Amino acid sequence: QQQVKQSPQSLIVQKGGIPIINCAYENTAFDYFPWYQQFPGKGPALLIAIRPDVSEKKEGRFTISFNKSAKQFSLHIMDSQPGDSATYFCAASIGNTGNQFYFGTGTSLTVIP
Amino acid sequence: DVKVTQSSRYLVKRTGEKVFLECVQDMDHENMFWYRQDPGLGLRLIYFSYDVKMKEKGDIPEGYSVSREKKERFSLILESASTNQTSMYLCASSPMKGSNSPLHFGNGTRLTVT
Repeated sequence: QQQVKQSPQSLIVQKGGIPIINCAYENTAFDYFPWYQQFPGKGPALLIAIRPDVSEKKEGRFTISFNKSAKQFSLHIMDSQPGDSATYFCAASIGNTGNQFYFGTGTSLTVIP
Repeated sequence: DVKVTQSSRYLVKRTGEKVFLECVQDMDHENMFWYRQDPGLGLRLIYFSYDVKMKEKGDIPEGYSVSREKKERFSLILESASTNQTSMYLCASSPMKGSNSPLHFGNGTRLTVT
């Protein structure tokens, strides 16, 4: 059973557009929600993360929105660039279980110049 | 900067062979993980380890085993490779238990079993 559900599977936007990737979870014990970015031929790398005590976090052009009551969180990429073309994974974990992460199925983003 | 190094980028093995995937991290991290990545399925945890000589099963341990004889090294073993184990394998590490620390991934080993 998928603990974290991610959509869409793929996304194509024009340069400057704002792609949005959504994730949903059921386990209310999750207390850490990172997003990872993966370029072809590379391992995933941490992009941005949020804890459930805040509703939004921004780092540069990347924003996480978090809705605790709906058990949903999303990644927004402002002013998207062709260099943002990558696969994005959301994840969730419970801190006291020793960093066992549950990943979404990934979203392949293509930003067209 | 944390470096997680996987010894092989590509491997081609035959069905029934015993396969070793090696991973080394250079930042003295306590936790190490093995994931497999398949299209449409995301990253699935095979095994993880909190300490030397210690291991825990993840979500899909069947057909795999692991070894952690030294803190910096975590090996994934396919006892008898099968075609359904053709996949991308990712090793990761993180600093300590219970701290919500991010995972640091290697660049993966793409294994093909024929």
